Amino acid sequence: DTEVTQTPKHLVMGMTNKKSLKCEQHMGHRAMYWYKQKAKKPPELMFVYSYEKLSINESVPSRFSPECPNSSLLNLHLHALQPEDSALYLCASSSQWGTGGVLAGELFFGEGSRLTVL
Amino acid sequence: GEDVEQSLFLSVREGDSSVINCTYTDSSSTYLYWYKQEPGAGLQLLTYIFSNMDMKQDQRLTVLLNKKDKHLSLRIADTQTGDSAIYFCAESRTGANNLFFGTGTRLTVIP
Repeated sequence: DTEVTQTPKHLVMGMTNKKSLKCEQHMGHRAMYWYKQKAKKPPELMFVYSYEKLSINESVPSRFSPECPNSSLLNLHLHALQPEDSALYLCASSSQWGTGGVLAGELFFGEGSRLTVL
Repeated sequence: GEDVEQSLFLSVREGDSSVINCTYTDSSSTYLYWYKQEPGAGLQLLTYIFSNMDMKQDQRLTVLLNKKDKHLSLRIADTQTGDSAIYFCAESRTGANNLFFGTGTRLTVIP
């Protein structure tokens, strides 16, 4: 099983709503990532969890709140978003977390959750 | 992605070879990757190469790495309409727990 599964595939929410994106992998990977991708642009890193601890936060606004309940699950809680937050949100995972923190080997992506904020 | 550059568009005829190019600037690259993204979908890892290799072949895909010139290419032999997608190169770097993505190349295959 080399899958990273994301739900929901599509989400429409208002600026006052609270919603969550979910990501799951059963490959035993200990590093999990959230990326944001706007149309026709490369993915931009938001957060990295390593061994269930937040290791990177790329200065993401607090209206995005990540959570890693266990080594297989990664959530992204959304609250008071803005229309410019509409994007494809991609989850990824990796098994390779070498010395010095270098990513080595494969980074597997899910299909993404397409978020529209009205 | 400002340190990893790709041309934005490439069109080829079905059955021809496609060559997608990527240049990077950081000399601490450890692995270099090629991802494919179809419309509305996530990123599919196609292949990757360790930075001390200069070539890797996998069926229709050939990756060439010129470390001196910091140039990476992906050749797709016998390109098919199903190969139409955006292709991203990416690199991992010593000390960075992330991938650095290129701007993406949109490949269009003309029947």
